[in-house]
Amino acid sequence: DAEITQSPRHKITETGRQVTLACHQTWNHNNMFWYRQDLGHGLRLIHYSYGVQDTNKGEVSDGYSVSRSNTEDLPLTLESAASSQTSVYFCASSFGTRRNEQFFGPGTRLTVL
Amino acid sequence: KQEVTQIPAALSVPEGENLVLNCSFTDSAIYNLQWFRQDPGKGLTSLLLIQSSQREQTSGRLNASLDKSSGRSTLYIAASQPGDSATYLCAVRGSGAGSYQLTFGKGTKLSVIP
Repeated sequence: DAEITQSPRHKITETGRQVTLACHQTWNHNNMFWYRQDLGHGLRLIHYSYGVQDTNKGEVSDGYSVSRSNTEDLPLTLESAASSQTSVYFCASSFGTRRNEQFFGPGTRLTVL
Repeated sequence: KQEVTQIPAALSVPEGENLVLNCSFTDSAIYNLQWFRQDPGKGLTSLLLIQSSQREQTSGRLNASLDKSSGRSTLYIAASQPGDSATYLCAVRGSGAGSYQLTFGKGTKLSVIP
């Protein structure tokens, strides 16, 4: 079955370290998205991609970067982790069609100490 | 900027009761609206998607309606069960050309008491 996976599921890191969260989907979706979920803020969009070599900034992109070298993967990199980036991170994907139903991965819980 | 509000933030009902969850959005120029379910510590599961041209969508005991002009959507759950306990999120897609991003509400946490 097609699916979207994220790894690692849990990560603890230290302030200042570079961290990369992986997202892999097997639906052959054009669109991929990264969100963070925090109490009191709900889900907020970090970065998104509408295809290979395409990346765009979302609402809360500072301190994060993404690259899209193939259809299946959109890794999220925290350049220099900060305590404010402690959160649960979700990856999602969708076809670039009118319906555009988004499907979500299981999430990565990141703690920055 | 689109803002999505869900009221109430939490709801507790006895098993078997019919219930309605509300979602409102400030900009009526949307392409579609999607309802999700999120269980504790899990990702989001898509429940229903309503296109802007539709008035409602049904899946089993779930029925979602959309009144785009008034900026409102409701999710109706019939004959609630303890297994329905979860957080329910609504999200809207703007109508800008080539725009696929979603704006989310903060969710309604539902508890169904046996």
